[in-house]
Amino acid sequence: GQNIDQPTEMTATEGAIVQINCTYQTSGFNGLFWYQQHAGEAPTFLSYNVLDGLEEKGRFSSFLSRSKGYSYLLLKELQMKDSASYLCAVNDYKLSFGAGTTVTVRA
Amino acid sequence: DAGVTQSPTHLIKTRGQQVTLRCSPKSGHDTVSWYQQALGQGPQFIFQYYEEEERQRGNFPDRFSGHQFPNYSSELNVNALLLGDSALYLCASSLSLVARTGELFFGEGSRLTVL
Repeated sequence: GQNIDQPTEMTATEGAIVQINCTYQTSGFNGLFWYQQHAGEAPTFLSYNVLDGLEEKGRFSSFLSRSKGYSYLLLKELQMKDSASYLCAVNDYKLSFGAGTTVTVRA
Repeated sequence: DAGVTQSPTHLIKTRGQQVTLRCSPKSGHDTVSWYQQALGQGPQFIFQYYEEEERQRGNFPDRFSGHQFPNYSSELNVNALLLGDSALYLCASSLSLVARTGELFFGEGSRLTVL
């Protein structure tokens, strides 16, 4: 079966840094995705890790440790528009999603 | 270049009815996956179509069925609707069965309300 865990909610201040953790136990693994989803909208792709290590993309970075079944998404220099749900998803030739972490950015 | 398009965007049905949702994949993509997203939850995998065949299926009852056409577009059918089927139904397209970096794109979804 698939078990993907991430915190339900996080709150941070504009300009700060937030780290969203994701742990997974899945029957197969071909990489891990992070998606951003604003309320009422479709998920949009943020990052994809298939090898261990850190992938940096502007203000967003994602880290993967396959041996630990662990990933995190790091959001730097938070902006109000970053308030959204962040979804961790494991690729096993289909995507298995966590429940999502709602990030609220306060002024 | 149009992305993934879904129709209808919103619909309301009553218990016991049947519904058909439609999806056109991004140009160049040949694989379509369907997900159900209940309010406050992550998307749950329903099934995936490639070369007009269902290749993988999640933990959904047989009331959920689908089809892929030669032009790669797809339909999701749900029979004997239950209140619990109320959700956002997302279609995602990719090139081949394995979604590589950035190649899985979601449509805006069809929001189904069952009364």
